[in-house]
Amino acid sequence: EAGVAQSPRYKIIEKRQSVAFWCNPISGHATLYWYQQILGQGPKLLIQFQNNGVVDDSQLPKDRFSAERLKGVDSTLKIQPAKLEDSAVYLCASSLDRGNYNEQFFGPGTRLTVL
Amino acid sequence: GESVGLHLPTLSVQEGDNSIINCAYSNSASDYFIWYKQESGKGPQFIIDIRSNMDKRQGQRVTVLLNKTVKHLSLQIAATQPGDSAVYFCAEINSSGGYNKLIFGAGTRLAVHP
Repeated sequence: EAGVAQSPRYKIIEKRQSVAFWCNPISGHATLYWYQQILGQGPKLLIQFQNNGVVDDSQLPKDRFSAERLKGVDSTLKIQPAKLEDSAVYLCASSLDRGNYNEQFFGPGTRLTVL
Repeated sequence: GESVGLHLPTLSVQEGDNSIINCAYSNSASDYFIWYKQESGKGPQFIIDIRSNMDKRQGQRVTVLLNKTVKHLSLQIAATQPGDSAVYFCAEINSSGGYNKLIFGAGTRLAVHP
């Protein structure tokens, strides 16, 4: 079974520039998550989708971050404009949706460096 | 690959020894806990889980202990191997919003020396 795919793996941009990350979840997984992992910390949930609807985006800085999952499969996360403190690894995860908690499978992440 | 935790507390053990990694969680209402392993350049990987109605659960070479009184989790790895070197995170499931939300704790880096 193929895992969660993310691209690019690395991105370096200057502050105030824009950047987008792409995620392809495991086939058949209804729930998709984007996490931000700052160096030395655990991942923090930014947004959770169930199919193409948003379940939780309470920790997404909506003035600069946006995410979409238009067809309930792939998702993109965008930052515009980027700030220095956005430097982090952005992880995508997916899980089945069967009611009780289902294991989340994580992708390898995209490491963003903002200069 | 890049490191996921340059400034994390580190536990150094000799190959073959047992390792114990500790974690404190915050929400006394959490009823499900998970330990994750994260290797450099990779996403977190599920190791073992435990529900709040249990105080111990064993897997292959790993045991998780839960003490709800003091909101403490521990992960025990038997006969630690070089391949166990990674950052380990505990996580709790918060269901207060009507859906399951995974909340990660602080990580611990495990360094296994031959």
